[in-house]
Amino acid sequence: ETGVTQTPRHLVMGMTNKKSLKCEQHLGHNAMYWYKQSAKKPLELMFVYSLEERVENNSVPSRFSPECPNSSHLFLHLHTLQPEDSALYLCASSPQTGSGYTFGSGTRLTVV
Amino acid sequence: KQEVTQIPAALSVPEGENLVLNCSFTDSAIYNLQWFRQDPGKGLTSLLLIQSSQREQTSGRLNASLDKSSGRSTLYIAASQPGDSATYLCAGAGSYQLTFGKGTKLSVIP
Repeated sequence: ETGVTQTPRHLVMGMTNKKSLKCEQHLGHNAMYWYKQSAKKPLELMFVYSLEERVENNSVPSRFSPECPNSSHLFLHLHTLQPEDSALYLCASSPQTGSGYTFGSGTRLTVV
Repeated sequence: KQEVTQIPAALSVPEGENLVLNCSFTDSAIYNLQWFRQDPGKGLTSLLLIQSSQREQTSGRLNASLDKSSGRSTLYIAASQPGDSATYLCAGAGSYQLTFGKGTKLSVIP
């Protein structure tokens, strides 16, 4: 374990379902991130939180909704997803934005 | 907008060989550059972090260099082993995000 824990590891959901991805870090970091990794594409930044405030939203569809209740936890709420949203979703944290990143093991999401 | 390119996309070498992975970036105003390893279906493991003021970092058999003026970084792996087989990603850090290359998939043949 890297210090960043993601649950669940695998998730299969229908297009009408609502689910949430969870990320937790106990590294004392102040910034947390959601990245999406699709096949044959570079990792894409989705959201950035610094000290629990969202500082970046990279034109992500509204069917993805992040939540950062405190500096140790980050959620990604999912609803009415499309099959093309199937991907590996990675959470990361860093001491502050722009410094060294630690990634979790990811959640493999399949939308059917 | 930062763009990161990694060459080659895939590399196959016999065990014991030394090898170099290349990374180039378009915006030299990076805070730092980080190299990661990713095994199939898994998350990213950080290998080396080079701050913008540094020229290189070493960890065991790995050495990474950074030349901001030319927009290049290299990852040198000495005496490669089958356990080194993975995808290697480089990423340049801006103020809010890491920009990743597509990675180099390395296969070390026993």
